[in-house]
Amino acid sequence: DAKTTQPTSMDCAEGRAANLPCNHSTISGNEYVYWYRQIHSQGPQYIIHGLKNNETNEMASLIITEDRKSSTLILPHATLRDTAVYYCIVKGNTPLVFGKGTRLSVIA
Amino acid sequence: KAGVTQTPRYLIKTRGQQVTLSCSPISGHRSVSWYQQTPGQGLQFLFEYFSETQRNKGNFPGRFSGRQFSNSRSEMNVSTLELGDSALYLCASTAGVAASTDTQYFGPGTRLTVL
Repeated sequence: DAKTTQPTSMDCAEGRAANLPCNHSTISGNEYVYWYRQIHSQGPQYIIHGLKNNETNEMASLIITEDRKSSTLILPHATLRDTAVYYCIVKGNTPLVFGKGTRLSVIA
Repeated sequence: KAGVTQTPRYLIKTRGQQVTLSCSPISGHRSVSWYQQTPGQGLQFLFEYFSETQRNKGNFPGRFSGRQFSNSRSEMNVSTLELGDSALYLCASTAGVAASTDTQYFGPGTRLTVL
């Protein structure tokens, strides 16, 4: 079973920041938080991952709370092409376990 | 650097047949994982190969098998196809160095339809 909890769906206006929350209260000390997204019927696309520090790359920012029990993925300026299912995954030395993710709809 | 490639992209088979899907990982990657995605069960892990050896296995029947070649390319085989095997089959590759920090990069998938 997935070790994360995400909202089923979210809407975001085009050009605004999209903030996608994820709860992972049972995360272990050596487990990372990974984010992937999947645009309809394509392979999942890696976005970002982190252990305990906040991370930023060209796609997004990842904010992890100090107790590591939750995190937020931030897409700073959402576009229509960001409409997808976003998966938050806690990963250690085991294969990726995907939950149902959050369906983000970016609206013009 | 080229991404993960999967062939064929689409496949139609009938019940009882068998099928072989192919995956070429990113150059330099030594680990290949396979996943099945269906509307009902979502994305589920099938198995992982590293250096031609199966390193992890998901909870699927023995009809699902795989192998990896010395050039890291991988194939998965499904025998005696059932209607429920209709799915998107995804392959992902990683460097295979450190399981917790190796990022998996996915291919576009093979859409299998069983009639």
